[in-house]
Amino acid sequence: DTAVSQTPKYLVTQMGNDKSIKCEQNLGHDTMYWYKQDSKKFLKIMFSYNNKELIINETVPNRFSPKSPDKAHLNLHINSLELGDSAVYFCASSLQGVNQPQHFGDGTRLSIL
Amino acid sequence: SQKIEQNSEALNIQEGKTATLTCNYTNYSPAYLQWYRQDPGRGPVFLLLIRENEKEKRKERLKVTFDTTLKQSLFHITASQPADSATYLCAWRGTYKYIFGTGTRLKVLA
Repeated sequence: DTAVSQTPKYLVTQMGNDKSIKCEQNLGHDTMYWYKQDSKKFLKIMFSYNNKELIINETVPNRFSPKSPDKAHLNLHINSLELGDSAVYFCASSLQGVNQPQHFGDGTRLSIL
Repeated sequence: SQKIEQNSEALNIQEGKTATLTCNYTNYSPAYLQWYRQDPGRGPVFLLLIRENEKEKRKERLKVTFDTTLKQSLFHITASQPADSATYLCAWRGTYKYIFGTGTRLKVLA
């Protein structure tokens, strides 16, 4: 009964490949997010979706394309992977209100060879 | 643009002491400031939230304060235990967006 689940947990691939990360939440939240955590552990927001609509896109290269088929899912597709994409990617969800906490998945560690 | 800064990258304290972590923000005051705990290989877990007009919030051994004059929040863990060792993150909540601090890695020594 994991609240926010991401797959896969580890992703090792070659530069130039295309890959996807899936995220699902069973909390009934209406807002979902993707974050990138770099080697210095800084957690930076990439995208925010509310009720399946893109709300925030934090100047992320258009090689990254999020897709929200429904409110419980937010997937991330990455084209033409580059070395600098190596990081841990976290999915999170919350209710819409400003006082609402986020619930995070356990991350997907992406390593580009 | 808004920035959230956690001054100490790492903090070591002796078991039983009180750990105090600092979070400073620039520019405008957040309506809410949140604190999260992150263990290695895991996602952040929400701990406490404090509103702008609250001076202090407590939950068991945890206490958070908010000083809008200093633009600062302090996070205290009293009677610290080795199990409290983790990275602690503060976060500012904007519209559909959270800005996280860089985190403080706390190590409680037995």
